[in-house]
Amino acid sequence: GQQVMQIPQYQHVQEGEDFTTYCNSSTTLSNIQWYKQRPGGHPVFLIQLVKSGEVKKQKRLTFQFGEAKKNSSLHITATQTTDVGTYFCAGPRGSSNTGKLIFGQGTTLQVKP
Amino acid sequence: EAQVTQNPRYLITVTGKKLTVTCSQNMNHEYMSWYRQDPGLGLRQIYYSMNVEVTDKGDVPEGYKVSRKEKRNFPLILESPSPNQTSLYFCASSLGFYNEQFFGPGTRLTVL
Repeated sequence: GQQVMQIPQYQHVQEGEDFTTYCNSSTTLSNIQWYKQRPGGHPVFLIQLVKSGEVKKQKRLTFQFGEAKKNSSLHITATQTTDVGTYFCAGPRGSSNTGKLIFGQGTTLQVKP
Repeated sequence: EAQVTQNPRYLITVTGKKLTVTCSQNMNHEYMSWYRQDPGLGLRQIYYSMNVEVTDKGDVPEGYKVSRKEKRNFPLILESPSPNQTSLYFCASSLGFYNEQFFGPGTRLTVL
């Protein structure tokens, strides 16, 4: 069945270093969403990408949607301790209007001050 | 304040004792969904609802029931909980299926 894989599962960085997490789907996605979950918190929406090759920026965060709409990435420039948390990608499962969503396993980011 | 609320936030129960976790949103959202979060597995969808009286199974529906009698409420029912349902549960809502989801604070359930 359809799978959405995220790598790496964990990443430890020194404050100021860059960080990237990758999201790979076994099937084409009509759109992809990214969420951040702080330790002990709930997932919070970051962004949605819809178009093939789309790139969006939010301050130090850069999101990309692959040309084939099967992969996506989140890049954080010059990490800060406030970036700590788990980042999830999510997309529609199966045909685009089923209502089913599939999440990646998440990438947990630790930032050493 | 626009929000999704869940109750209870923490629950310890025993095998076989029926329980309900409530979920309510005040944003007039059509789409609501339940997820469970387990270490290393991310968020897995249990059930979802595209609108009132319309519910459907997600990826892990076994052992769970839901109902959507009103737009704002989407309770999760465990008729006979088992230890493998020990998990962190999140309810979420969105304007529509394609829109950003707003998550509740989570319910940590332990089944002994």
